Amino acid sequence: GAGVSQSPSNKVTEKGKDVELRCDPISGHTALYWYRQSLGQGLEFLIYFQGNSAPDKSGLPSDRFSAERTGGSVSTLTIQRTQQEDSAVYLCASSFNRVNEQFFGPGTRLTVL
Amino acid sequence: GENVEQHPSTLSVQEGDSAVIKCTYSDSASNYFPWYKQELGKRPQLIIDIRSNVGEKKDQRIAVTLNKTAKHFSLHITETQPEDSAVYFCAASISNAGKSTFGDGTTLTVKP
Repeated sequence: GAGVSQSPSNKVTEKGKDVELRCDPISGHTALYWYRQSLGQGLEFLIYFQGNSAPDKSGLPSDRFSAERTGGSVSTLTIQRTQQEDSAVYLCASSFNRVNEQFFGPGTRLTVL
Repeated sequence: GENVEQHPSTLSVQEGDSAVIKCTYSDSASNYFPWYKQELGKRPQLIIDIRSNVGEKKDQRIAVTLNKTAKHFSLHITETQPEDSAVYFCAASISNAGKSTFGDGTTLTVKP
């Protein structure tokens, strides 16, 4: 079946612009995660959605970052007023429930000039 | 919150040798411990996982051991092959919280 998909695959933007990153999880997966991975670094947790529960936003680095998940499926990560330090690969993952294998998408490579 | 430390950050072995990567965690409530492999330019993929009611799990050349008392778990790869070269991440999760905390990763290089 189809895996996790993300769009766009690459995004180049100018400092100060807003960007939206999209994640389509595997159908039926109730848990959805966003991570940030800088070059050669580990996976930095950003936000976690589980079903209809309030999301865990504890990893969002600033109030410029926000995310929503509509209808328990597609999720959008929004970064407002982008800065150069936001440049990274943003990975989305989904899992069948809250403690199970996470299936990762291919990521969106964000470059802020 | 949970803190996961992973060692070593880099590991180089000769083909056919064994490789061991260790992780420690801080929250005794953590009960799910997956290991992910990320090849260069690709997405992380699960290679093995263990839950807190089990001390060891093996899948062909890969094994994971868990010591709940000491709060550490390890990945063991035997008979390493060049295609095992990748970055390996450990993680710890608490079932009620759902969020996973990842280690910083280990870059494994297997020299032919």
